Amino acid sequence: DTGVSQDPRHKITKRGQNVTFRCDPISEHNRLYWYRQTLGQGPEFLTYFQNEAQLEKSRLLSDRFSAERPKGSFSTLEIQRTEQGDSAMYLCASRLGGNTEAFFGQGTRLTVV
Amino acid sequence: KQEVTQIPAALSVPEGENLVLNCSFTDSAIYNLQWFRQDPGKGLTSLLLIQSSQREQTSGRLNASLDKSSGRSTLYIAASQPGDSATYLCAVNKMRGTYKYIFGTGTRLKVLA
Repeated sequence: DTGVSQDPRHKITKRGQNVTFRCDPISEHNRLYWYRQTLGQGPEFLTYFQNEAQLEKSRLLSDRFSAERPKGSFSTLEIQRTEQGDSAMYLCASRLGGNTEAFFGQGTRLTVV
Repeated sequence: KQEVTQIPAALSVPEGENLVLNCSFTDSAIYNLQWFRQDPGKGLTSLLLIQSSQREQTSGRLNASLDKSSGRSTLYIAASQPGDSATYLCAVNKMRGTYKYIFGTGTRLKVLA
């Protein structure tokens, strides 16, 4: 297992289009997080899954954003009707339960033009 | 509301210097604190995880300390090298009420050859 995998690495889309990102966590990691990071800032929390249950969601996540984790394995983050302000790096992280380290993927860089 | 601050925001040092990066947090009821490294345009690499019951953790040339009662953590880098140039981020995981990690804005380190 090579770590948390995110796809695609880069995405350029026109304003108003829908985009979907995928995250494959480390095997057996039942906790999964999505974060968003803009230039010069620390990552901001978007949402958290424990197995397939979405247990926490940030107010940053407008109704245009939705995340799923069917079967508690990979997760997808969809942004509908993209806006220029959605341009950012979208990061996924996973970890085991208990007091364990979180591991991040390489991120998906979204540019909305 | 938990807030995480990192000082300095940027640091430039000659190769070989020992240096200290600071992280402070406003709510001492944390579960753990994790230090990460981020290279430009990349994801986060985990460096060290300190549990709330621990005072420090070491990995190679890195040493992280935690003083929960005063809301502070430091990351000590010994004998810095140009390859250490990156942004260093700390993140706290609160004990109750939320699952998320809250990040500081990072310290951008440049080690000059």
